[in-house]
Amino acid sequence: DSGVTQTPKHLITATGQRVTLRCSPRSGDLSVYWYQQSLDQGLQFLIQYYNGEERAKGNILERFSAQQFPDLHSELNLSSLELGDSALYFCASSEPDIGFDGYTFGSGTRLTVV
Amino acid sequence: AQRVTQPEKLLSVFKGAPVELKCNYSYSGSPELFWYVQYSRQRLQLLLRHISRESIKGFTADLNKGETSFHLKKPFAQEEDSAMYYCALSGRGTSGTYKYIFGTGTRLKVLA
Repeated sequence: DSGVTQTPKHLITATGQRVTLRCSPRSGDLSVYWYQQSLDQGLQFLIQYYNGEERAKGNILERFSAQQFPDLHSELNLSSLELGDSALYFCASSEPDIGFDGYTFGSGTRLTVV
Repeated sequence: AQRVTQPEKLLSVFKGAPVELKCNYSYSGSPELFWYVQYSRQRLQLLLRHISRESIKGFTADLNKGETSFHLKKPFAQEEDSAMYYCALSGRGTSGTYKYIFGTGTRLKVLA
């Protein structure tokens, strides 16, 4: 087990709805990253949190938001869902944000919007 | 623009043949380059990074700063190498924060 836990593994919801994806980082890792993996766009960086604070932002839509809690777990909130939001959402964690020493990825949450 | 380009969506090779997965990058500064692999139904995992100059599962990758490339190579492909491979870049952006950019991935199929 890599130590990064994502729940739920699968999620099916209707357009217009709101969902929350959860990620628990590997023990000791302070940084959490969210990625969206879709067939046509590959792996897209969404957002990074470091020790509770937003550190970097990528191609994250305004309908999406995230936060990292004091216990370092993170949640990605997706609202007003559209069919195009169907994708695999990965969380990754790493040690302190002094560089990129390689992520540890979770197994992902597969979101299907119908 | 800062980007990582993997020109091939799909690469099919026969078992025992050499493999080269291409990766080119565009980045102002000195980035760190990585290769990630995703086997079927498994999570992404780090394969190798350029700073360690290691060989993992027979794969190697050399950073060519002149050509801004970080191609992944293996002399003899095996069926278990079939997977999705992502090239990734990390570097400090102009704002001082780190940027993390992945390529769109190349699916490697090793045929028996």
